[in-house]
Amino acid sequence: GEDVEQSLFLSVREGDSSVINCTYTDSSSTYLYWYKQEPGAGLQLLTYIFSNMDMKQDQRLTVLLNKKDKHLSLRIADTQTGDSAIYFCAESIPGRRALTFGSGTRLQVQP
Amino acid sequence: ETGVTQSPTHLIKTRGQQVTLRCSSQSGHNTVSWYQQALGQGPQFIFQYYREEENGRGNFPPRFSGLQFPNYSSELNVNALELDDSALYLCASSLGGKDTGELFFGEGSRLTVL
Repeated sequence: GEDVEQSLFLSVREGDSSVINCTYTDSSSTYLYWYKQEPGAGLQLLTYIFSNMDMKQDQRLTVLLNKKDKHLSLRIADTQTGDSAIYFCAESIPGRRALTFGSGTRLQVQP
Repeated sequence: ETGVTQSPTHLIKTRGQQVTLRCSSQSGHNTVSWYQQALGQGPQFIFQYYREEENGRGNFPPRFSGLQFPNYSSELNVNALELDDSALYLCASSLGGKDTGELFFGEGSRLTVL
């Protein structure tokens, strides 16, 4: 089956680290993605990880993948107020044309 | 490099009407996908067009249809609108055949059905 789940809400203080979690069910996923959506806007690709990797770091962003547990996380270091947005994880599966998205985690950054 | 552009940005229709949404893909991209994002939800795949042909479809009824033109721009048509069709419609372009399937999204068209 195909299901991507995320917690709904996360609140952090400016300067702290944020960790957004995601679980997926399809073990044949090849790529896993993190997208950011600001109010009234489309989705912006933040980063992605190939399924044979455990970790990927890109400036303030760190993606961890636990393929055994089908768990994906996004860590944002030194979180800023501009990071306030909804974060979606998504998976792609070989042979399918679509990405399957979670329902999104709303990140609120308090000054 | 021009990004993905969608029009109109907002529109209001009444139940039973028809709507056409438009999308211009990012320069160099030959594949366009359409997603429906209901309030508080993640995007749901409607269909994808590659080289002017439908190349995959999600769980949406036939009254959702589309077109892709030789310049790779695309239209999404929805007939017999229902209240539940109220949503943000997102267009995403990509380069077909690329392994990552990296999608570049437009800002969306927000449809309200009354």
